Amino acid sequence: NAGVTQTPKFRILKIGQSMTLQCAQDMNHNYMYWYRQDPGMGLKLIYYSVGAGITDKGEVPNGYNVSRSTTEDFPLRLELAAPSQTSVYFCASTKGGPSYNEQFFGPGTRLTVL
Amino acid sequence: AQKVTQAQTEISVVEKEDVTLDCVYETRDTTYYLFWYKQPPSGELVFLIRRNSFDEQNEISGRYSWNFQKSTSSFNFTITASQVVDSAVYFCALSDLQRAGNNRKLIWGLGTSLAVNP
Repeated sequence: NAGVTQTPKFRILKIGQSMTLQCAQDMNHNYMYWYRQDPGMGLKLIYYSVGAGITDKGEVPNGYNVSRSTTEDFPLRLELAAPSQTSVYFCASTKGGPSYNEQFFGPGTRLTVL
Repeated sequence: AQKVTQAQTEISVVEKEDVTLDCVYETRDTTYYLFWYKQPPSGELVFLIRRNSFDEQNEISGRYSWNFQKSTSSFNFTITASQVVDSAVYFCALSDLQRAGNNRKLIWGLGTSLAVNP
C-alpha cells in the first residue's frame, strides 16, 4: 500500500505558466482533498471530491481546477501561475462509512512561482 | 459557526518538560469528531488521534495523552517528558458535519509550533 502519492515533490514555475499536480491513492477512498499551506500557516482547502465525477470548491479555489475521472486519481491544475500560488500543496483522502475517519496525506508538493 | 482555536502559536520547552497544547472548538453538532495531526520539520502530516463526541475517556499513548472535555469544548494534548523529536507543528481539527452534503471535510486550527530544546 503506497497510500497517497504526489508528484512532483518540487517545482518552480514562471508567472503565467501552467502545470498539473498529480495525486493518487490506492486505498479505494471515495473522498479526496487538495490543500495549500503557506509558510507558517495552517491548511486551506482548495477543492475536494466525494467520488469519481464529483468535485466541489473549497475555501480558496480561484486559479485552480480539478477533475476526478477515477477513484484513484485527483489531479490539481494551475492555470496562469501567479506568485500568490507559491505554497506547499497537500493531497489527502479518507474513506466513507458511518463515522468520520482520519484523512491520509501525501508528502506534499512545494511550488514556487517566480 | 464551527471553529477550532489553537491559541498558542508557539511554545518552547526544554527537553523532559511536560507540555500541553490547547484546542478549543465550537460546534452545534451533537455528534462530531476531533483530530490531532503532527507536522514535523520534514513537512508531512501525521495523524495522531481521532475522538468522537460520545467518547469522553482520556486517551494515553506512550508519552502522549489527550484530555477531551465536552463541558469546556476542549481537546487538549499533553506530551510528557518531551523530547527533541517532538518538535513539530501540531494541528487540531473538527469534523464539518453542519455543512450541506456528506463531504467529510475538516475544520482546521492554525496549529501550534512546538520547539523542544536540548
